[in-house]
This record gives sequence, structure tokens and C-alpha cells, in this order.
Amino acid sequence: DGGITQSPKYLFRKEGQNVTLSCEQNLNHDAMYWYRQDPGQGLRLIYYSQIVNDFQKGDIAEGYSVSREKKESFPLTVTSAQKNPTAFYLCASSTSTVLNQPQHFGDGTRLSIL
Amino acid sequence: DQQVKQNSPSLSVQEGRISILNCDYTNSMFDYFLWYKKYPAEGPTFLISISSIKDKNEDGRFTVFLNKSAKHLSLHIVPSQPGDSAVYFCAASGSGGSNYKLTFGKGTLLTVNP
Repeated sequence: DGGITQSPKYLFRKEGQNVTLSCEQNLNHDAMYWYRQDPGQGLRLIYYSQIVNDFQKGDIAEGYSVSREKKESFPLTVTSAQKNPTAFYLCASSTSTVLNQPQHFGDGTRLSIL
Repeated sequence: DQQVKQNSPSLSVQEGRISILNCDYTNSMFDYFLWYKKYPAEGPTFLISISSIKDKNEDGRFTVFLNKSAKHLSLHIVPSQPGDSAVYFCAASGSGGSNYKLTFGKGTLLTVNP
């Protein structure tokens, strides 16, 4: 079945540690996105990528980094510079960032601080 | 500054009745609107969308209405079922090169009582 796989489902970070969240899609989508959700809030865009080897900052990119070396994969690294990393992280993909197409989401990774 | 607002944090309806979820937006550049459904600890699932050239879009039990002059859209679920109980997010995007970015409301928790 086609879809978006995020791993791990739960992740714990120690102070000063970088952690990487995995996102893989087999939908053959060009565009991929990372969002963050905090309790009682909507989703906020961290980074997005329109095509391999290209990515752009979203609204809250500080303290995060991404790479897009393969079409299927868009990992997100939460660096030690992100002072409030505890949140639910969602990866999404769509056929294009230009056409009006819905984004489809994975099941998320919940990151907590030890 | 919240550009997409869902003013009702929660809504409770009886099984078989109509559920109406509301969403207001402020950005006149938005021209594509989506509704997502989200269960706890899962990613949002795309339900239905509408572009600004239409005022109604229907898919089975779900209908979205768009009133551009009032900058208002609504999702109607008829008939409501207990399995519809979830958080519903309204999202919007602009046209052209900026429509990569979905701006989300904070969500409305729908509870359908048997």
C-alpha cells in the first residue's frame, strides 16, 4: 500500500542532543513537508521540499534542519538549538507545491525531553 | 495573527443528525480550502477540499460550503456516525507559488453520541 511512514513513533531527547526523525513515502510525490503540532494548536510548517536536493524554511525553522537526497525520504533533525522541542511532529507529502493538491500525512512522531 | 479560525473548540451531536463545523479566514489570497480529520496519536486524514471557484463540494456524507464574501467555510456531515468522532482541522492555502503552505485552524473536537 502507498503511504507515508514516520519513525520512530516515540522519541526521547536528552539536553544538548540532536535527534533525527525519519519520513519515507512511496507515493511518488515530489513535495514533502514537516509540521509541528503543540497541544490545542494547529499545525505549523517547519520545512518543505519541492524536489530532490531542494528545501525551504517554513514558519518555524529555527533549531531544525532537513535534507532531501532522495525523492522518497525527507528526514528532520531537531538540533540542540531548538529550546522547546517537545511536540508532535508530522510529515506530509503532495504531488506538487504548485497545483492545488491535498497534502497527505504520516502518523507522526512524538518527541519528549528527558 | 490567526489567519484561519475555528471558533468552536468542541461540538457534540447525536448519531444520525447533521454535524456542522465552521471555519473563518482573514487572508483574501487564500483560494484553496481543505478539511482534515484527526484521531489521537495519528496523522490528519484528508477529507474534502474546495477551490475558490466553487461554492460547494460534496463527497458522500461530507459537503463543504464556501462563502467567499464572508470568508467563511463549513463542513456538513450527514448523517453523523460515532466513528466521525475526532478533531477536525480546517486548512487554507494561497495560489501560485505560495500554495505549498497550508495554514491550519486550531481544530474542533466533534463527538457523535450513539
